[in-house]
Amino acid sequence: EAGVTQFPSHSVIEKGQTVTLRCDPISGHDNLYWYRRVMGKEIKFLLHFVKESKQDESGMPNNRFLAERTGGTYSTLKVQPAELEDSGVYFCASSQGPHSYYGYTFGSGTRLTVV
Amino acid sequence: QKEVEQNSGPLSVPEGAIASLNCTYSDRGSQSFFWYRQYSGKSPELIMFIYSNGDKEDGRFTAQLNKASQYVSLLIRDSQPSDSATYLCAVNNRLAFGKGNQVVVIP
Repeated sequence: EAGVTQFPSHSVIEKGQTVTLRCDPISGHDNLYWYRRVMGKEIKFLLHFVKESKQDESGMPNNRFLAERTGGTYSTLKVQPAELEDSGVYFCASSQGPHSYYGYTFGSGTRLTVV
Repeated sequence: QKEVEQNSGPLSVPEGAIASLNCTYSDRGSQSFFWYRQYSGKSPELIMFIYSNGDKEDGRFTAQLNKASQYVSLLIRDSQPSDSATYLCAVNNRLAFGKGNQVVVIP
């Protein structure tokens, strides 16, 4: 079984540019989550999809961040325009059911550096 | 007040010893508690979850939950060099994470 796949693994962009991160969850996992870790801080929840619907997007920092999951398969997280404070590691995770009784499977993350 | 606190600094333990990690949480209504392990540059991986007060053992790992005192701990028995990693405490389905505790097992 393939794990959660994230692309790209690293991205370096200039302030003001746009970046799109992609996450392919484990096949059959309806629940998909985005998290972010800024250096020196905790991993923070961003949002939760159930299939193509946003179940909880209360962690999204501002309207420069847009997440989509068209068709309920892979998801994208777009940052436009990127700011310096957006630098960090963006993790995606997926789970089979609505509750984390089985834990989430995390992807290896995308390290975003905004210069 | 942070949702999840892991205040200890890096923990160095000799090989074969017990490593003890603690975590406190602020939401008294929290129901589910998780310990994740993260090797440097890798993604977090689930090692333990616990929902009920008391101890839960899985191999060399034991999670302890005390809802009245709002803390959850992780014990690693017979620590191995391969246990050297950052251990993250997380609470509830949304996974509110602590900052993590780095564990270094010294051969």
